[in-house]
Amino acid sequence: EAQVTQNPRYLITVTGKKLTVTCSQNMNHEYMSWYRQDPGLGLRQIYYSMNVEVTDKGDVPEGYKVSRKEKRNFPLILESPSPNQTSLYFCASTSFRQGRSYNEQFFGPGTRLTVL
Amino acid sequence: SQQGEEDPQALSIQEGENATMNCSYKTSINNLQWYRQNSGRGLVHLILIRSNEREKHSGRLRVTLDTSKKSSSLLITASRAADTASYFCATDEGFKTIFGAGTRLFVKA
Repeated sequence: EAQVTQNPRYLITVTGKKLTVTCSQNMNHEYMSWYRQDPGLGLRQIYYSMNVEVTDKGDVPEGYKVSRKEKRNFPLILESPSPNQTSLYFCASTSFRQGRSYNEQFFGPGTRLTVL
Repeated sequence: SQQGEEDPQALSIQEGENATMNCSYKTSINNLQWYRQNSGRGLVHLILIRSNEREKHSGRLRVTLDTSKKSSSLLITASRAADTASYFCATDEGFKTIFGAGTRLFVKA
C-alpha cells in the first residue's frame, strides 16, 4: 500500500530535550516536506526536500533541522524544543511533473507534539 | 507568508445543498490544489488544477481557477453529512507550498 508513515504519532516532552520525528514514504517520491498545523493558521511549511541531499527552508524553519540521506526518509529534528513548538506536524511527499511543478501531495497521519 | 486565503472561514449548510468555498492567492502559480481534513487527521488530496486550466471536475466536486484574479473556487454539489470537514487550498511558490487557513464546512443531516 502506498503510504507516508510518521513516528511517533503522539509525543510529550520537556523543553530542551532533543527529539526526532521520523517520516518515510514508499512511493519513490523525490519531493518531501514537513508542515506544522496550529489552530486558525492552517498548515505552514517548515522544510522541504527536492531530492536526496537537497533541502530548503519553508516559511517557519526556525528551531528545526532536517536531513535527506535516503530518498524514502525525511526526519524532522528539534535540537532544543520549546513550548511554542507544541503543534500538530505532518509529513508529505510527491513526485515532480515535467518542468517546474509537482503533483498532489500525500500526507502522513500526523504527529501531535507537546513540549512542556 | 500566507499565500492562499480561504473564504468563508466557516460554512454551515443543510444536506443536499451546494457548498462553495473560495481561495485567493498572491503570486504566480504552477498549480493550485484543494485538500480535505477531517478533525485533526491527515489531509486528503481532492483536486489539482494547473495554471493553464480553468475548470476541473471530480465526482461532486468542481474547481475553477481564474489566474487573472488570482482566485479559485471549490464547489461541492448535493452535500452530505460526511462532507463535514475542513477544506484547504494550497499553491506553489517556486517549490514551496503555501496553504490557506481553511474553510470549516458543517453539513447538517
